[in-house]
Amino acid sequence: QVKLQQSGAELVKPGASVKLSCKTSGYTFSTSYMSWFKQIPGQSIEWIGMIYAGDGGTGYNQKFKGKATLTVDTSSSTAYMDLSSLTTEDSAVYFCARPCIIRVTGGYVMDAWGQGASVTVSS
Amino acid sequence: DIQMTQSPASLSASLGETISIECRASEDIYSNLAWYQQKSGKSPQLLIYAANRLQDGVPSRFSGSGSGTQYSLKISGMQPEDEGDYFCLQGSKFPLTFGSGTKLEIK
Repeated sequence: QVKLQQSGAELVKPGASVKLSCKTSGYTFSTSYMSWFKQIPGQSIEWIGMIYAGDGGTGYNQKFKGKATLTVDTSSSTAYMDLSSLTTEDSAVYFCARPCIIRVTGGYVMDAWGQGASVTVSS
Repeated sequence: DIQMTQSPASLSASLGETISIECRASEDIYSNLAWYQQKSGKSPQLLIYAANRLQDGVPSRFSGSGSGTQYSLKISGMQPEDEGDYFCLQGSKFPLTFGSGTKLEIK
């Protein structure tokens, strides 16, 4: 079955960077997309961006341009997200999720999610 | 960006009660609307996609309806395991955007 296994919780200092991983199994990663999301506990969810594993092509939410960088390693079926110049406002849980295109409507839906990775930015 | 206005923010229901949650989009999203359930400390679980299609394995007491800018999720017969947070997601246009969420509790 489809599985997305994310890396563990991170405690980082302000100004630092962190790299989160999302290791996939159960489907063909190299011809699939991956999306990343941010959720502050008790709040709603924000879409950060999406990457196509086939060619590394990316699309970002304007809000996260310069903050997040998405990459993939097709040899290990793993997606990565780098978060840079961290501030306390970046403290959140970050999810990876697999986007699928809905044939009947042409839009996107996330049908499988990682378990989430908590990032805490504190000195 | 497409704004998703979700209501109510919280809801308390008795066992067996039927409840509805609404999402209104700021523009037509052509049925590209999904509903998710999220339990505390867990990742979102897909319930409904394309406005009214039930995801495999999801109980049939969950149903979705709507078109254009107005969508709703119905739970026909509240069960204890239905407690949690519910979010709508529009997948029509980037950036993808979520509703603000509904906290559903047992009365």
